Amino acid sequence: EAGVAQSPRYKIIEKRQSVAFWCNPISGHATLYWYQQILGQGPKLLIQFQNNGVVDDSQLPKDRFSAERLKGVDSTLKIQPAKLEDSAVYLCASSLENGLLPTDTQYFGPGTRLTVL
Amino acid sequence: AQSVTQLGSHVSVSEGALVLLRCNYSSSVPPYLFWYVQYPNQGLQLLLKYTSAATLVKGINGFEAEFKKSETSFHLTKPSAHMSDAAEYFCAVSVGGAQKLVFGQGTRLTINP
Repeated sequence: EAGVAQSPRYKIIEKRQSVAFWCNPISGHATLYWYQQILGQGPKLLIQFQNNGVVDDSQLPKDRFSAERLKGVDSTLKIQPAKLEDSAVYLCASSLENGLLPTDTQYFGPGTRLTVL
Repeated sequence: AQSVTQLGSHVSVSEGALVLLRCNYSSSVPPYLFWYVQYPNQGLQLLLKYTSAATLVKGINGFEAEFKKSETSFHLTKPSAHMSDAAEYFCAVSVGGAQKLVFGQGTRLTINP
């Protein structure tokens, strides 16, 4: 079974530019997550989708970050405008179940490493 | 609020030695706990999870963890380290009714030949 796919793998931009990341979850997985992992820290949840609806976006900086999941499959995460502190690895994950059980297993993609200069 | 603390950002052991990575949790309700491993330039992979069925949980690659409520701990162990175990390890707790994971800061494991 194919895993979670993400692209691009690496991105370098200057501050105030915009950037977008793409995620394709494992086929059939209803729940999709975006995490931000700053160097030396554990991942932090930015947003959680259940099919194409948002379950939790409490830690998403909505003044500059946006995310969508069209048709309940692929998802894009956008940053506009980027700041230096946005430099991090952005991880996408998906889970088969409806994401409402605390024991659901999340499967992670390889991540996109963003560097903001 | 539920959280986890990983003691030691770096752990170094010799090949064949015992691996012990420490994780303590804070939770006002019975927690669900996870250990993930991250190899360089890869995403996170689930090693094992505690779901209250058994306090000793066995995972992949020979790892296991024991849930100790009295010590609020969920330490990860492996009897004999292998060079391929070198990676970053994250402890996480599930928060709330949905699976919102809160991760610790991670422990980098180095294996010495």
